[in-house]
Amino acid sequence: AQSVAQPEDQVNVAEGNPLTVKCTYSVSGNPYLFWYVQYPNRGLQFLLKYITGDNLVKGSYGFEAEFNKSQTSFHLKKPSALVSDSALYFCAVRDYYTGAGGFKTIFGAGTRLFVKA
Amino acid sequence: AAGVIQSPRHLIKEKRETATLKCYPIPRHDTVYWYQQGPGQDPQFLISFYEKMQSDKGSIPDRFSAQQFSDYHSELNMSSLELGDSALYFCASSLVEGGETQYFGPGTRLLVL
Repeated sequence: AQSVAQPEDQVNVAEGNPLTVKCTYSVSGNPYLFWYVQYPNRGLQFLLKYITGDNLVKGSYGFEAEFNKSQTSFHLKKPSALVSDSALYFCAVRDYYTGAGGFKTIFGAGTRLFVKA
Repeated sequence: AAGVIQSPRHLIKEKRETATLKCYPIPRHDTVYWYQQGPGQDPQFLISFYEKMQSDKGSIPDRFSAQQFSDYHSELNMSSLELGDSALYFCASSLVEGGETQYFGPGTRLLVL
């Protein structure tokens, strides 16, 4: 069965330090992988995606993510964190499944990032 | 650039009432998705439409129904509302040819009293 795991409920980093938000997945085929960010009382905003090609994907606001097929991971990274990066981050996977004959997107539980000045 | 529009932004209803949420996708997007996000929870997929036909169904209760109209806007109809339906309801749209990246609206916050 499809699943997405974000093992950390919360990540704390100091401003200027590198940050990593972890995501692992389990799918039957070749997935589309996404990261979204959610600010308080706001909708989800697309950050980046991996479909195929280069394993290192660069996205919005200086974020990047590395697709690792052997470890089934898609960790979100940023070399230097900003206080304004503090938000809720969701990893998502989109894969074909036979339940309704189509594609389905599943979100992880979310990781809250706190960046301290 | 135009984004996904949802209305209303806030809605207060009482138990057993009905509610209709509206979603206007990004122009030329052909797929619309509905999600429910409870307090402190991850978004749960409800249902999606591609070219006005239901394309996928998730954890949508039988009390809810949705459709996509000829102008591609979508409506989520919720009947016999329960306290547990209080949540943030997101609509997202995507273009199949664009790699199916979903772009989310601001959400409708529904409170059932």
